[in-house]
Amino acid sequence: ETGVTQTPRHLVMGMTNKKSLKCEQHLGHNAMYWYKQSAKKPLELMFVYSLEERVENNSVPSRFSPECPNSSHLFLHLHTLQPEDSALYLCASSQDTAKSGRPTDTQYFGPGTRLTVL
Amino acid sequence: AQKVTQAQTEISVVEKEDVTLDCVYETRDTTYYLFWYKQPPSGELVFLIRRNSFDEQNEISGRYSWNFQKSTSSFNFTITASQVVDSAVYFCALSERGNTGNQFYFGTGTSLTVIP
Repeated sequence: ETGVTQTPRHLVMGMTNKKSLKCEQHLGHNAMYWYKQSAKKPLELMFVYSLEERVENNSVPSRFSPECPNSSHLFLHLHTLQPEDSALYLCASSQDTAKSGRPTDTQYFGPGTRLTVL
Repeated sequence: AQKVTQAQTEISVVEKEDVTLDCVYETRDTTYYLFWYKQPPSGELVFLIRRNSFDEQNEISGRYSWNFQKSTSSFNFTITASQVVDSAVYFCALSERGNTGNQFYFGTGTSLTVIP
């Protein structure tokens, strides 16, 4: 595997379900990100992890819970979602050379998980 | 205020035409980076180019070229002799070291349709 992979590619879930999205990067990077992309809206940065520590949480609802067990893996745990949470969820990684926890270097993206909440 | 503005929401061109996608950015930093990404229908954002604020030389890569002009805070992207495979949403992005730390901003994207 190369680059950034995400599983599953498509997910349909009910509002009472619990599911997890997985992201894995094979680029040796030290920072990983979750973005939400809704139709007709700009990309929304949800979470940033640098050196496995969460450094950014842009007021994301608690029904989204990230986990970064190591620098290569990132999860997004989902529970009691709402229909408006339906979107494309993109994972990205970069080498955070500024050690600030925020991206300055090129981010490489995975293919995304298309989530539909019924 | 938008940090990255892509005023063109949708563009349609006929195959083999040239097309320019506009990007205007706003920053007070002297050190910053600009990016272009391509998002085909499959969904994955594909990195195209990164430029730093000290390098204003235009860049050409095959049919792609980029015009960076600090005087107008613009980083425009031109596709020459467009092809159907160029149909995608293109995002411009800015990375800067703001007062509260480094920040990364995406524009809202320009959807390009190349008609055969």
